[in-house]
Amino acid sequence: RKEVEQDPGPFNVPEGATVAFNCTYSNSASQSFFWYRQDCRKEPKLLMSVYSSGNEDGRFTAQLNRASQYISLLIRDSKLSDSATYLCAVTFLSGYALNFGKGTSLLVTP
Amino acid sequence: ETGVTQTPRHLVMGMTNKKSLKCEQHLGHNAMYWYKQSAKKPLELMFVYSLEERVENNSVPSRFSPECPNSSHLFLHLHTLQPEDSALYLCASSLRSRETEAFFGQGTRLTVV
Repeated sequence: RKEVEQDPGPFNVPEGATVAFNCTYSNSASQSFFWYRQDCRKEPKLLMSVYSSGNEDGRFTAQLNRASQYISLLIRDSKLSDSATYLCAVTFLSGYALNFGKGTSLLVTP
Repeated sequence: ETGVTQTPRHLVMGMTNKKSLKCEQHLGHNAMYWYKQSAKKPLELMFVYSLEERVENNSVPSRFSPECPNSSHLFLHLHTLQPEDSALYLCASSLRSRETEAFFGQGTRLTVV
């Protein structure tokens, strides 16, 4: 069973749309949660941490649901420049590092 | 400008060659990581160093050999690799291991011929 799972997409949305991604994790003893963005042939870059109370950064909102073991990322008013792969990452109490999902591909079209 | 730099950016090597990947972080972090990213697969953790001690080794074949001489530098020594080892190798660092966000270098794109 994969520890961190994401819908690979692709999600094709028009500019200005709202899009949401979910990420589920299998280990209930999870500690920290993050969303990363990865552009084609580039390294992952931290987009935002995910806090228990939920958090927002401009057009991006992240939520954590510990009971159901998932995190979500909502992007409002999508821009062409939001096109990328979005990776969720989770740290487990039993491990030392981030565990990544395969990523969800987003394409925002004019 | 990135706080984590990797060299080389691209590497083509034969199966009998020996080469090394280098990573340097300028962020004052205490943990460093090697990840492998192959097409259609999630990032795979290879090694974790915390305060220069290897704390995790995820069943990586012995043809990959890490070295962490100090908290700012991390190497990955490669020898007798296989074509299926071709991938993007990413170095990352974080303030501490376990719970903090990691910052990645630009990666080394390795092709084994």
